[in-house]
Amino acid sequence: ELKVEQNPLFLSMQEGKNYTIYCNYSTTSDRLYWYRQDPGKSLESLFVLLSNGAVKQEGRLMASLDTKARLSTLHITAAVHDLSATYFCAVETHTGNQFYFGTGTSLTVIP
Amino acid sequence: DGGITQSPKYLFRKEGQNVTLSCEQNLNHDAMYWYRQDPGQGLRLIYYSQIVNDFQKGDIAEGYSVSREKKESFPLTVTSAQKNPTAFYLCASSWTGEGYEQYFGPGTRLTVT
Repeated sequence: ELKVEQNPLFLSMQEGKNYTIYCNYSTTSDRLYWYRQDPGKSLESLFVLLSNGAVKQEGRLMASLDTKARLSTLHITAAVHDLSATYFCAVETHTGNQFYFGTGTSLTVIP
Repeated sequence: DGGITQSPKYLFRKEGQNVTLSCEQNLNHDAMYWYRQDPGQGLRLIYYSQIVNDFQKGDIAEGYSVSREKKESFPLTVTSAQKNPTAFYLCASSWTGEGYEQYFGPGTRLTVT
């Protein structure tokens, strides 16, 4: 079974600060996805990373993928309160269409 | 509007009863999925289907059953054999093939007492 680990699990940061969330996975894959979940809500797609070295940016969030290291990062720049949520990474297997999710990183941005 | 609907949003059942959760999509996606989320945890795959009349077990299929009679619909039945059914259940859909993100429904919160 593919293992996906995120760290940290909990992150409390002040507005305006920068931080990085890490997603490590245990088997070869070059397809990684980041999702956001607000409390009690469903998951919203943030980024789709489909090759080694892929980098995507949207607003204050930037995601990257290093398939050789089996590592993806989600970098937060100058955090604002609206970014408070739980962030999940998910890795897609080569057998097709099966996703394995990390345990999530609960982010709280403090004014 | 295209999207995925799940009903009901909240569901309460007594132990020993089977319950069916609805999932419908109008995105014309071939693949559909059911996940379970427990508090403070990630998503775990229950069942998935890539084509009508065919489905595969995920990592935690025991105590659950599904059907896929129509492309748009993928209902999940939580049977009395599921030992800890209380959870948040999420349905998703996607195009088949590699590199397609999954789109999620709003979820059903099931409480069994």
